[in-house]
Amino acid sequence: GAGVSQTPSNKVTEKGKYVELRCDPISGHTALYWYRQSLGQGPEFLIYFQGTGAADDSGLPNDRFFAVRPEGSVSTLKIQRTERGDSAVYLCASSLSGGVQETQYFGPGTRLLVL
Amino acid sequence: KQEVTQIPAALSVPEGENLVLNCSFTDSAIYNLQWFRQDPGKGLTSLLLIQSSQREQTSGRLNASLDKSSGRSTLYIAASQPGDSATYLCAVTANQAGTALIFGKGTTLSVSS
Repeated sequence: GAGVSQTPSNKVTEKGKYVELRCDPISGHTALYWYRQSLGQGPEFLIYFQGTGAADDSGLPNDRFFAVRPEGSVSTLKIQRTERGDSAVYLCASSLSGGVQETQYFGPGTRLLVL
Repeated sequence: KQEVTQIPAALSVPEGENLVLNCSFTDSAIYNLQWFRQDPGKGLTSLLLIQSSQREQTSGRLNASLDKSSGRSTLYIAASQPGDSATYLCAVTANQAGTALIFGKGTTLSVSS
């Protein structure tokens, strides 16, 4: 596609439920990133994929959060037993090969609200 | 731990003014610094990327400078327009954090016509 796409654009769920958020990166980009942006804050890094593998998952807040990228393109961020504090905008970004000199291209985000 | 701070948090100016947004970071060991624009309900758009060896980058009415040793960057916007209204985010790629970006909280700019 022309840019990074994310689905759904909005997700409302109840506390304790399981949610999946999807990211479709720019075609041919091997690097994929997930960030979380709470209201009034800058985005915070969650996890970085290089191809199919998670090269850096140091930003995942706890073991309720998990992400996969089985074929090296689309990625899914999974949140178990959601809590109200998980409410935020989840942003996905991709870059060509993950080099530090490269620009990361961001998707529009998924706005998650946990009631 | 690298921390990025942006001042001011919000700024309102009349159309046509030149303005400066400030960004500071605590650890000078960075690979690069980027300025992003974020419109309400939308993702981030990269405006300028300054490599650690560079002093500044320009794109149209935007000029970004980097003083790595002092841990500071500025984004200069010339002849501001109402369409410039958005939140501007500064982010660094820190050597110790791989390629993950570390962001400030942003400056929300409002340009009135």
